Amino acid sequence: GAVVSQHPSRVICKSGTSVKIECRSLDFQATTMFWYRQFPKKSLMLMATSNEGSKATYEQGVEKDKFLINHASLTLSTLTVTSAHPEDSSFYICSARIPGTAYSPLHFGNGTRLTVT
Amino acid sequence: EDQVTQSPEALRLQEGESSSLNCSYTVSGLRGLFWYRQDPGKGPEFLFTLYSAGEEKEKERLKATLTKKESFLHITAPKPEDSATYLCAVRRLTGGGNKLTFGTGTQLKVEL
Repeated sequence: GAVVSQHPSRVICKSGTSVKIECRSLDFQATTMFWYRQFPKKSLMLMATSNEGSKATYEQGVEKDKFLINHASLTLSTLTVTSAHPEDSSFYICSARIPGTAYSPLHFGNGTRLTVT
Repeated sequence: EDQVTQSPEALRLQEGESSSLNCSYTVSGLRGLFWYRQDPGKGPEFLFTLYSAGEEKEKERLKATLTKKESFLHITAPKPEDSATYLCAVRRLTGGGNKLTFGTGTQLKVEL
C-alpha cells in the first residue's frame, strides 16, 4: 500500500496565482521529505529537501522564493508554487524514506500535475 | 557529476517475449542503485535496491542485476500489465546527501 500521500493529484490555476501541494507520510514520521519535478520524457529532478522544523535545502537553480516549502510536522510537507507562470507547469512529486537504515529506498507520492494557464 | 543512462528509450514486446533493460551509471562511490516502475500520471513505485556488484534481486517476472558499471532489469515472459516506464537511479556513498540521480527511463509496452 501507499506510504506517501500527495494532494491534489491535478490542479489548474491562472497565471499569477499561487498553488499549494501537500505531501503526507502515512504511518511513519518523516523528518525529511524530498520534492522532485518531472518534465515529459525527462528524468526526475530533485528540487529541494524539506526538513522538519528547519529551512528547506534547495538544489542549485531552484528559486526558493518561487517554490516555498514548509515542513511543519513530522508527517506533512507542503510545496507552494508562488506567482505561477505557464513555465511552472509540470509534474511535481514528493517522496520520503521510511526510517530505518541509511540504505532504505525513497517512496514516492502519486504526484501533482500542475497546469498554469 | 553522477550520471545515469538508460537504454533503450522505448521497447515493445509481445506477451511472453523476454528482454532486458539497461542502466549504465557513473558515480563516485555507490551507496545504492534503485529500480522503480512508473505508470502514466503516477509517482514511481519502488521495485529493487542493489548495493554491490554481483548482487541480484527478483520479484515475480522481474530480476535486477548489478555490475560495477551497469545494472540490468530482466523481464521474463512479460504480460501486458508489465507495461510502464522503468526508472533507474543511483545514490552516492558520500557527499550526495539523500539525493537520487535518475535516468530518463525505458518505456516498456507489452502487447498481446
